[in-house]
Amino acid sequence: EAGVAQSPRYKIIEKRQSVAFWCNPISGHATLYWYQQILGQGPKLLIQFQNNGVVDDSQLPKDRFSAERLKGVDSTLKIQPAKLEDSAVYLCASSPRGGAQGPGNTIYFGEGSWLTVV
Amino acid sequence: AQSVTQLDSQVPVFEEAPVELRCNYSSSVSVYLFWYVQYPNQGLQLLLKYLSGSTLVKGINGFEAEFNKSQTSFHLRKPSVHISDTAEYFCAVSERGAQKLVFGQGTRLTINP
Repeated sequence: EAGVAQSPRYKIIEKRQSVAFWCNPISGHATLYWYQQILGQGPKLLIQFQNNGVVDDSQLPKDRFSAERLKGVDSTLKIQPAKLEDSAVYLCASSPRGGAQGPGNTIYFGEGSWLTVV
Repeated sequence: AQSVTQLDSQVPVFEEAPVELRCNYSSSVSVYLFWYVQYPNQGLQLLLKYLSGSTLVKGINGFEAEFNKSQTSFHLRKPSVHISDTAEYFCAVSERGAQKLVFGQGTRLTINP
């Protein structure tokens, strides 16, 4: 079974530029997550989709970050304009369905997209 | 709201020695608990999870963890580590009925030959 796919793996941009990350979840997974992992910290949830609707975006900096999930499958996370503090790994993850983590509903993570803002 | 504290940011051990990575959580309701491992330049991989039942949970690669409700802890252990266990380990909690997974700060495990 294919895992969560992300691209690009690495990106270096200058501050005030824009960047976009793409994610393809595991086939059939209804729930998709974007996490931000700053160096030395644990991952922090940015946004959660259930099919193509947003469930939780309370920690998404909406003045510069946006995300969409096209047709309930692939997702794109965009940052515009980027700041130095946005340097981080952006992890996409998916789980079979919404609702609580539990039996048969584990989150699976992609390898991440590493962003450096200079 | 739930929170997770990993008590050690770095743990150096010698190869074939036992190791314990400590994790405490805070929540006002029942929780599910998880340990993830992150190898260099890779994403997160689930090691093990506690959902219910036996408080001793066995995972992949010889790791196990014990849920202690009275101490609100979920420490990860391995009786004999290998060089290949060098990685960052994250403890995470999800409140039952909630969808969000909250992570600790991570513990970097370094294995010395």
